[in-house]
Order: sequence, then structure tokens, then C-alpha cells
Amino acid sequence: QKEVEQNSGPLSVPEGAIASLNCTYSDRGSQSFFWYRQYSGKSPELIMFIYSNGDKEDGRFTAQLNKASQYVSLLIRDSQPSDSATYLCAVIGYGNKLVFGAGTILRVKS
Amino acid sequence: EPEVTQTPSHQVTQMGQEVILRCVPISNHLYFYWYRQILGQKVEFLVSFYNNEISEKSEIFDDQFSVERPDGSNFTLKIRSTKLEDSAMYFCASSGAAARGEKLFFGSGTQLSVL
Repeated sequence: QKEVEQNSGPLSVPEGAIASLNCTYSDRGSQSFFWYRQYSGKSPELIMFIYSNGDKEDGRFTAQLNKASQYVSLLIRDSQPSDSATYLCAVIGYGNKLVFGAGTILRVKS
Repeated sequence: EPEVTQTPSHQVTQMGQEVILRCVPISNHLYFYWYRQILGQKVEFLVSFYNNEISEKSEIFDDQFSVERPDGSNFTLKIRSTKLEDSAMYFCASSGAAARGEKLFFGSGTQLSVL
């Protein structure tokens, strides 16, 4: 079983719509959850982190965590073409290593 | 804003050669990491380093790999005898505290091509 799973996409949304990205993880003891954005050929860039069950909002981004279901999501409101990238879900599980999912490609069409 | 610096940005080497990838973490950070990303694949953890020793390593990080903090600023990844499958983007990262509670800052990466 993969440690962190994401739908590879691509997820296509029109400009101005809400993009919803999902992630599941296998280690029930995981405590810290992150969303990174990665443009092609670039390094991962942290956009959100969440530790507690529920929602966490930062500007157009909302992270949602449900530990009972081992599920993390990222909502992007008012999607812009510049949001087109690969979104990586990452989890701190056993030890101190950040484990990444394979990423979901998001395409925002103008 | 402080940043993690990696050199070189591109490295081409022949199979069997040794390469050293260099990183300058953010100056007051204590935790250092190497990750790699093979083209089209996910970002994979290689090794974490704290207090001048490896704190954790993955199964990828075999005897061909080593890390070193030779002075107060540089953090290096050495691959002793490169293989074709070592071709990847290598990212260095640092954080001010254990990753559990602190964001990782990533460098821009070194693209390693083994021919």
C-alpha cells in the first residue's frame, strides 16, 4: 500500500471555479500534513500545512483534514491560470521524514 | 527572504564517476535533507541530517551515497559510482526544527544526468 495516494489527474477546471484536490495516507499515526505546489522543472513550494482535524483557510486556499478517514484535501477558490501546476500532498509519518504523494496535475483554463 | 542554494544547477557525468552535489542551507537552520525526483515520478526522501549525523535514511540511500557537512555552511551529497538510474533532480532542503512542526525550505535543485 502506498504511503500517500493522490489521483494523478489532470484535473481541469475553468478560471474562477473551485478546484478540489484529494489525498489519502496509510500511516494512522501521521501528525502533520502539507500541500506543496510544483511547477514543471521547479522545486516544491509549501502552500498549506494542517495538523488538526477540520479546516484551515489561508487566502484562496483551504486545507481539510479528517484523521479518522485518513484523508486530506485542498480547495482552491477562484482558480487562476497561474494555479496550473502539480499539487503534492506530503505527510510526516514515522520518523522525521516528509513523504510525498505522486501529485495531482491541475489545469485552470481561461 | 532566505533561501537554500544548490550548485550546480545541472551536472552531466559518465556512469561510474563520482559526483558531489552541493547545498548551502538557510544559515540558522539545523535540519538538512536530500530528496530526489526522477523525471515524471514523485519526490522521494533520501536522507535527513541533524547534529552532524544522519538521523534517517531511505532504502534508496545505499552505500554509494554519503552526506557531509564539511564546514558551517555547506551540506553535500556524494554519489560514489554513478549509475544510469541515478539520473534525477536532486533537491536539498532545510528546516529550523524537526520537520514535524516546521516547514521545509527547498533549494532549486540539481539536475543530474548520468550517461
